[in-house]
Amino acid sequence: GAGVSQSPSNKVTEKGKDVELRCDPISGHTALYWYRQSLGQGLEFLIYFQGNSAPDKSGLPSDRFSAERTGGSVSTLTIQRTQQEDSAVYLCASSLGGPAVNYEQYFGPGTRLTVT
Amino acid sequence: KQEVTQIPAALSVPEGENLVLNCSFTDSAIYNLQWFRQDPGKGLTSLLLIQSSQREQTSGRLNASLDKSSGRSTLYIAASQPGDSATYLCAVIPASGAGSYQLTFGKGTKLSVIP
Repeated sequence: GAGVSQSPSNKVTEKGKDVELRCDPISGHTALYWYRQSLGQGLEFLIYFQGNSAPDKSGLPSDRFSAERTGGSVSTLTIQRTQQEDSAVYLCASSLGGPAVNYEQYFGPGTRLTVT
Repeated sequence: KQEVTQIPAALSVPEGENLVLNCSFTDSAIYNLQWFRQDPGKGLTSLLLIQSSQREQTSGRLNASLDKSSGRSTLYIAASQPGDSATYLCAVIPASGAGSYQLTFGKGTKLSVIP
């Protein structure tokens, strides 16, 4: 079946503009996660959704970052007033249930964001 | 705060060799540990997931072990092939606390298998 998909695959934007990144999880997966991979920083957790609610937003680096999920499916990560330090690969993952039940996380191919 | 360390950062081996990648974590209270592979410019592919109650998992030429009490996991790759060249990442989910939902990743081991 289809895996996790993300769009766009690449995004170049000017500093100060807003961007939206989209994630389509695997059908039937109730849990959805966003991570960021920066050079030299490794992979960092951003936010976790269970259904449409986000019990853990602890990884969002500033109030310029927000995310929502609708219909228990598609999620959008929005970055307002982008800065050069936001340049990174943004990865989305989904799992059948929440992490407390050991469900494996499946990752999408990522969106490479470059802020000029 | 959970910290995950992977040693070595890079490894180069001739084709056909068996090899071991190491992962250590500071907080032994984990739900599970997951090994991933990442090819350049690509997302992560899950290789193996070990639940906290398990000691090892096997998939083909891969074998992952988990020693929770010492905070260590190893990924064993048998009879390495050039197609195994990639960055290998390990990640853990803590068992309790505010961070229970997030995977904490190591920085990876970049493996090169030379034909």
